[in-house]
Amino acid sequence: DSGVTQTPKHLITATGQRVTLRCSPRSGDLSVYWYQQSLDQGLQFLIQYYNGEERAKGNILERFSAQQFPDLHSELNLSSLELGDSALYFCASSVYLGPPLYTGELFFGEGSRLTVL
Amino acid sequence: ELKVEQNPLFLSMQEGKNYTIYCNYSTTSDRLYWYRQDPGKSLESLFVLLSNGAVKQEGRLMASLDTKARLSTLHITAAVHDLSATYFCAVGVRYGGSQGNLIFGKGTKLSVKP
Repeated sequence: DSGVTQTPKHLITATGQRVTLRCSPRSGDLSVYWYQQSLDQGLQFLIQYYNGEERAKGNILERFSAQQFPDLHSELNLSSLELGDSALYFCASSVYLGPPLYTGELFFGEGSRLTVL
Repeated sequence: ELKVEQNPLFLSMQEGKNYTIYCNYSTTSDRLYWYRQDPGKSLESLFVLLSNGAVKQEGRLMASLDTKARLSTLHITAAVHDLSATYFCAVGVRYGGSQGNLIFGKGTKLSVKP
């Protein structure tokens, strides 16, 4: 158990709908990352937040958005869903300790499996 | 843009054999990670390599990093069925000197057969 909690574990919805995925990072971790894993695209980095602020953006569609709240949990919002959005969505967290303890290692949650019908 | 390439993408091994998975990346980075994923499960961190020449071993797996060649290897010794999984390498990205995300390779799906 990595200590990163994601809900829901499974979600089935229809095209055109909107869903929200939730992530609670490990205690003390300030950074949250979202990744999408699909068979054809592999593991794609979507977005990173650090202590409530957006830090980096990857291949995140405009239909997707995220935020990190003051209690450090994060939500990924997916709207106008398409069949191709079906994937496993992972949240990961990390803590920045500063050199020389800094490793940059990410700890992943169990993922939220989204199926769009 | 940082690209991470793994090969092979599929590997079928017999128990007891040795093999190496290769991970090449396209731009300078001093942080390389190996993760394991079982089907439908989360990613489990195996190794963190933070300097040129770093070598780490855990059981039948050994990982190394050559930052000059932009190459990491994951060597499997005397494979056993329990090692069957998908193995990912990932390279760290920095933003202005601070911690950033990881870019993952496509993964190597390892199947160890008796």
